Amino acid sequence: RKEVEQDPGPFNVPEGATVAFNCTYSNSASQSFFWYRQDCRKEPKLLMSVYSSGNEDGRFTAQLNRASQYISLLIRDSKLSDSATYLCVVMASWGKLQFGAGTQVVVTP
Amino acid sequence: GAGVSQSPSNKVTEKGKDVELRCDPISGHTALYWYRQSLGQGLEFLIYFQGNSAPDKSGLPSDRFSAERTGGSVSTLTIQRTQQEDSAVYLCASSLFPGSSYNSPLHFGNGTRLTVT
Repeated sequence: RKEVEQDPGPFNVPEGATVAFNCTYSNSASQSFFWYRQDCRKEPKLLMSVYSSGNEDGRFTAQLNRASQYISLLIRDSKLSDSATYLCVVMASWGKLQFGAGTQVVVTP
Repeated sequence: GAGVSQSPSNKVTEKGKDVELRCDPISGHTALYWYRQSLGQGLEFLIYFQGNSAPDKSGLPSDRFSAERTGGSVSTLTIQRTQQEDSAVYLCASSLFPGSSYNSPLHFGNGTRLTVT
């Protein structure tokens, strides 16, 4: 079983709609969680950290469910520029960051 | 300021040859990571350096792979006797503190695209 698993998608989303997707992790001792964004043929960049109480950053909302070992990302009012692959990142042991394979989101006009 | 620099940007090599990939992290960043990404796949963790601590090598796929970090700065990833399955983009990243946080994200280089023929 992979340490970090994501639905690869693609999630096809009309512009202005809401999309949400999850990421599951296998190590219950995982300490920190993040969402990164990767555009085609580009390097990943941090989108947001995921805090235990859940957190928002503009149109983006991240949640953590430790009991069920998953994190989620919700994008409201989707923009064409939100089209990308969203990578779930988990720090299972100090400093070691494991990436999921990514969820592709395609926002259509 | 300068970001993470990787060289070469592209490398084509024959099966069985050795290759060296270089990563120059952001100055002052104590943590350095190597990942590889095959076409359409996610990032596969290879190795992690943190300051003067022993590196976490748990992701290296075989003993043909090795990496070092000299003086807490520049890192080289060496692949001996390359195989076709080694073909991938090798990404280096650095961060100010171990792991990553909102205030200390991973900064990635542009990667080295390795093709083994």
